[in-house]
Amino acid sequence: GENVEQHPSTLSVQEGDSAVIKCTYSDSASNYFPWYKQELGKRPQLIIDIRSNVGEKKDQRIAVTLNKTAKHFSLHITETQPEDSAVYFCAATPGTASKLTFGTGTRLQVTL
Amino acid sequence: NAGVTQTPKFQVLKTGQSMTLQCAQDMNHEYMSWYRQDPGMGLRLIHYSVGAGITDQGEVPNGYNVSRSTTEDFPLRLLSAAPSQTSVYFCASSTRTDFVSRTQYFGPGTRLLVL
Repeated sequence: GENVEQHPSTLSVQEGDSAVIKCTYSDSASNYFPWYKQELGKRPQLIIDIRSNVGEKKDQRIAVTLNKTAKHFSLHITETQPEDSAVYFCAATPGTASKLTFGTGTRLQVTL
Repeated sequence: NAGVTQTPKFQVLKTGQSMTLQCAQDMNHEYMSWYRQDPGMGLRLIHYSVGAGITDQGEVPNGYNVSRSTTEDFPLRLLSAAPSQTSVYFCASSTRTDFVSRTQYFGPGTRLLVL
């Protein structure tokens, strides 16, 4: 089955700096890669996703890049703000969204 | 729409007890899943369903049963609770179409403590 590795496990940045979180996957058939944000005590919420036929996708301060050949994808957050502090999870699936394999998460802390 | 709802929010069980975690969605989503979340391990898929009457195992199915008699409901049953099942459980649902975002909507979670 699919295996997703996520790095780093913790990341501390100053407000206004950029943050990058990286994930690698093992199943070359995976074709959908979502990123979820989970605030303390809350449910995970989708922030951005990318499909295998696209190399990059942006949504305001958030962007995701995908390298199918190397089987890795990354989340980029620019101009970080304190409200970006949360745990971020990457995921991958070769099929339906009902069968996501998640990374182990990155705890992002944005300091003032 | 209420989205995805889960009950109870918190439960304490003794080892060997059984219980059912309830999950319901009102978005007419075909796909539903159960995940457990443990510190440092992300979310791991327990069971999932692609439609009423169809279920399949995920990554960590042992000790859990599911059924999907209706599109709306997807209960998770713990047969004989063990301390290793102490976790936060999330139910999620998504639409099946390939032509729109495969966004998975999560419920608020059930925190389970097994003593």
